[in-house]
Amino acid sequence: TQLLEQSPQFLSIQEGENLTVYCNSSSVFSSLQWYRQEPGEGPVLLVTVVTGGEVKKLKRLTFQFGDARKDSSLHITAAQTGDTGLYLCAGLGFGNEKLTFGTGTRLTIIP
Amino acid sequence: NAGVTQTPKFQVLKTGQSMTLQCAQDMNHEYMSWYRQDPGMGLRLIHYSVGAGITDQGEVPNGYNVSRSTTEDFPLRLLSAAPSQTSVYFCASSYFTGGDEKLFFGSGTQLSVL
Repeated sequence: TQLLEQSPQFLSIQEGENLTVYCNSSSVFSSLQWYRQEPGEGPVLLVTVVTGGEVKKLKRLTFQFGDARKDSSLHITAAQTGDTGLYLCAGLGFGNEKLTFGTGTRLTIIP
Repeated sequence: NAGVTQTPKFQVLKTGQSMTLQCAQDMNHEYMSWYRQDPGMGLRLIHYSVGAGITDQGEVPNGYNVSRSTTEDFPLRLLSAAPSQTSVYFCASSYFTGGDEKLFFGSGTQLSVL
């Protein structure tokens, strides 16, 4: 079973601050995705990274896939209250037909 | 464009009761799946299907049955509910592009088993 550990589990910061959340595994993935989930809703895909070392930017969000394809990070610059939510990473194994989800980071941005 | 539709939104069951969680998608996706979400454990795969007539078990399949008679529908059945099945359930579908799977989720069913 491929496991994805996310850290921190909870993060509460002031609006305007920067933050980084991490997604780590001992397994290698062919691709890795990040989702954001708001209360009462299903997760929504933010980005997919497929190449080791790849960096993708989505406005104030920067996603990086580790060189060894075992880990990923999400950096948010100048956090806004709209960034509040549960952030989930999910890895797709080689030859697998299903994603493995991480344990999640619950982010709260304080106005 | 409805996307992935789940019903009901909320459900309370007594131990031993049975029920079916409904899931339908209108995007002609081949791949559909069911997850349960529990605090601190992320999303865990229950069952999945890569096309009509084909289903397979995920990480936590015990106590759940599925079938896939059409491309659009993928119901999840609880035959004899147990308190351990109290959770939020999500149905998801994707194009299954073979390496860049993009999941579209429903809005979830919150199930309580007393």
